[in-house]
Order: sequence, then structure tokens, then C-alpha cells
Amino acid sequence: DTEVTQTPKHLVMGMTNKKSLKCEQHMGHRAMYWYKQKAKKPPELMFVYSYEKLSINESVPSRFSPECPNSSLLNLHLHALQPEDSALYLCASSQEVSRHEQFFGPGTRLTVL
Amino acid sequence: GNSVTQMEGPVTLSEEAFLTINCTYTATGYPSLFWYVQYPGEGLQLLLKATKADDKGSNKGFEATYRKETTSFHLEKGSVQVSDSAVYFCALFTGANSKLTFGKGITLSVRP
Repeated sequence: DTEVTQTPKHLVMGMTNKKSLKCEQHMGHRAMYWYKQKAKKPPELMFVYSYEKLSINESVPSRFSPECPNSSLLNLHLHALQPEDSALYLCASSQEVSRHEQFFGPGTRLTVL
Repeated sequence: GNSVTQMEGPVTLSEEAFLTINCTYTATGYPSLFWYVQYPGEGLQLLLKATKADDKGSNKGFEATYRKETTSFHLEKGSVQVSDSAVYFCALFTGANSKLTFGKGITLSVRP
């Protein structure tokens, strides 16, 4: 299994809602990543988890809360988002943080109304 | 700091035309270099990579050679197809900050 899966594929939420994005990989990778991608732009790194511990937070607002319950799962909890947070959210994984080949999931298209 | 510069787009080609997409980089240390492709409505897929100078990465008819002397990693394909229409990102990775640094991306449209 060489896939990174993400659910849901699409999500529409209001500014007062709480929702979560889910990412899963079964490649035995110990590093997992969240990226945000706006239209026609490259992905921007948000968070990095290494061995289930948060190792990089790129000064992301606290309305985004990551969680890594185990080595295969990565969640992104969303609360009180703003319309400008609408974007494609991509999850990726790699063998380790120092192993550069990252495998990306298909993304969750988030719209904040 | 690290940076990747890609040529300005978009690029529109006819099917079977030759493709070159330029990519140059600035990095401390010895980066690994990548080309990622993003098809409409999808996530990123690794297209090819090179981890040291003079390495050539290749996949699906695409090629790129890691040129340390010119700090470049240009993407080429001899004969493009309509199915190659996508956004192409050049990227680098160094162990110094353990992050992928992406170029701005370039949109390729191939017409029949």
C-alpha cells in the first residue's frame, strides 16, 4: 500500500463550526505533514509530526489544531475558521523527517462560509 | 535561505511538441531535487528526483539532470501528450531545515 488517504474530499463549514480532517497512511512512515495550498500557489507547510510528536509548527493560528493519535493517523481539527482559510489541505508522509521523499494525499477541499 | 525559481508560465504546447521547464535553485549544503506534478483536482505526485550532482531522474518520459555548476534541474520531455496537462512544481530538500521548498509552479496545457 503506497497511498496516503484523506477524508473528507470536500468540506463546507461555517465560521462557528468545529470539524476535523483525517489523513491515513499504511507505509510505515514515521513523519507526517499538513500543508495548505491556495489556488495556483505551491503548498505551504503547516505542521510536521515525527514519531507522533509535533516537531514543526510554522506559526499556524490556533484555530488549526493538529493531532497524531498513532503512527498511521494524522488529524487536523478546525474551529472558528475564517473565509480566507478556504483552501486545499494536503497531507503527506515520509519514512522519516530526514528522508526527503514525501508522498502526498489527494487533499481535502475546504470552503469556509 | 533556500529558494527555487521556476520559469514564468503558463505554457501551452501542441501534442508531440518538445517540453522544457526551467528550474534553478539556491541552497545551503547539498540539496535533493524533485519535480512534482499536480493534475486538476488532485494532490501532488512525485514525478522524479535526483539526490546528488549529475544524477538524472526520469519517469513517464520526463527527465531532469541535477546540475550543480549551474544550480539547475530543468524538466524535459521529448513528446508531450494531452494527458500531461497539469501544474508542475520544482522543489528541493536539505537536511538543514528538513523542509521541502517549492517553486511557484507552472501550468502546462497541451492541445490536441
